[in-house]
Amino acid sequence: EPEVTQTPSHQVTQMGQEVILRCVPISNHLYFYWYRQILGQKVEFLVSFYNNEISEKSEIFDDQFSVERPDGSNFTLKIRSTKLEDSAMYFCASRVDRGDYEQYFGPGTRLTVT
Amino acid sequence: KNQVEQSPQSLIILEGKNCTLQCNYTVSPFSNLRWYKQDTGRGPVSLTIMTFSENTKSNGRYTATLDADTKQSSLHITASQLSDSASYICVVSSASGGSYIPTFGRGTSLIVHP
Repeated sequence: EPEVTQTPSHQVTQMGQEVILRCVPISNHLYFYWYRQILGQKVEFLVSFYNNEISEKSEIFDDQFSVERPDGSNFTLKIRSTKLEDSAMYFCASRVDRGDYEQYFGPGTRLTVT
Repeated sequence: KNQVEQSPQSLIILEGKNCTLQCNYTVSPFSNLRWYKQDTGRGPVSLTIMTFSENTKSNGRYTATLDADTKQSSLHITASQLSDSASYICVVSSASGGSYIPTFGRGTSLIVHP
């Protein structure tokens, strides 16, 4: 069964460094998402992406964040200058089309900023 | 502000017993309500999705109900198993053009004891 994959599973970085989290959505899906979950807290929506552009973003998704679909398979989240509070689990998700509400989540990347 | 409140925060039951989890929301305009199961350190996995016109949806031992008038939903788990131990998250999406902005609840942590 197709699934969303994410790499790396765990990323440790120093404050101020740039990180890129990678996701491979399910191949025929058209909508892509990034979420984060700070330890012990609820999942928070960051951004949705469709047709090579951001369709929605939350207040969390400020200028430090960017997303890209550099080729036909990868979907990336870049944090330009990481802060301690960026430490969280980051989930990628994808959806088939606008009429299908089912989102499939990846296993997540745990980001630790020291 | 869109909000999703879940209760109880945590629940401990014996294997084989039934349980019901609650979700109240203030999300507008309403698009759909989803229940997810999240194992520790993993991405959420969808259990049920309901739109405005649906008031019940089953998936094996999981049955979700939706009362759009009172803005309440419940997830009933029948004949619980040890593998049901997880966090159960209620997610309500609002519609904005072709995008669906999800609001996550904090989840109910369910522990099933033998």
